[in-house]
Amino acid sequence: NSKVIQTPRYLVKGQGQKAKMRCIPEKGHPVVFWYQQNKNNEFKFLINFQNQEVLQQIDMTEKRFSAECPSNSPCSLEIQSSEAGDSALYLCASSLYREGDTQYFGPGTRLLVL
Amino acid sequence: GNSVTQMQGQVTLSEEEFLFINCTYSTTGYPTLFWYVQYPGEGPQLLLKVTTANNKGSSRGFEATYDKGTTSFHLQKASVQESDSAVYYCVLGAPGGNYKPTFGKGTSLVVHP
Repeated sequence: NSKVIQTPRYLVKGQGQKAKMRCIPEKGHPVVFWYQQNKNNEFKFLINFQNQEVLQQIDMTEKRFSAECPSNSPCSLEIQSSEAGDSALYLCASSLYREGDTQYFGPGTRLLVL
Repeated sequence: GNSVTQMQGQVTLSEEEFLFINCTYSTTGYPTLFWYVQYPGEGPQLLLKVTTANNKGSSRGFEATYDKGTTSFHLQKASVQESDSAVYYCVLGAPGGNYKPTFGKGTSLVVHP
């Protein structure tokens, strides 16, 4: 019973198209993480926020993704130009503290790039 | 760097059998260790969490002990049920300026009735 809401649950895009997904963190949680989970169940950290500020992101995210967590609006992650290798489950997780805290995950957005 | 090793990709058991999932980690300092469980179609959810302060965690019949000597955090359950079938992840939360959890590759547990 996820309290973290992710939309849409499924997303199908052609190569080169933009793909945007959203996340509403659990109420009161200022920290948000985005992960990519591939078909082998491996997790890749993409980016994290505390309130509206980016804490850290990987090189791929900086170059090809656009992400934000505006005040009083859902967080979003957008791939600017989708590639076949982007097909994966994108998970959003929120927590109360930046370090060492339990992360509460949403159900994910499953992206398929054709 | 930080790493987590789960050698067992899949474990298959019958109901009421004993479960043991191996997890070892590598880091500096004193991390927080987690076990998360992921059911089909859902995001991971916390199963248990252990810090250096408490050394052992338990939840829903599952137990894990933080062993700094062997840098291990194995997961155990005395008697599994079919409903325990899921993927289990050992996760390392290493303290530091650029905190981001490190996930193991996951162990898929299949329990037959």
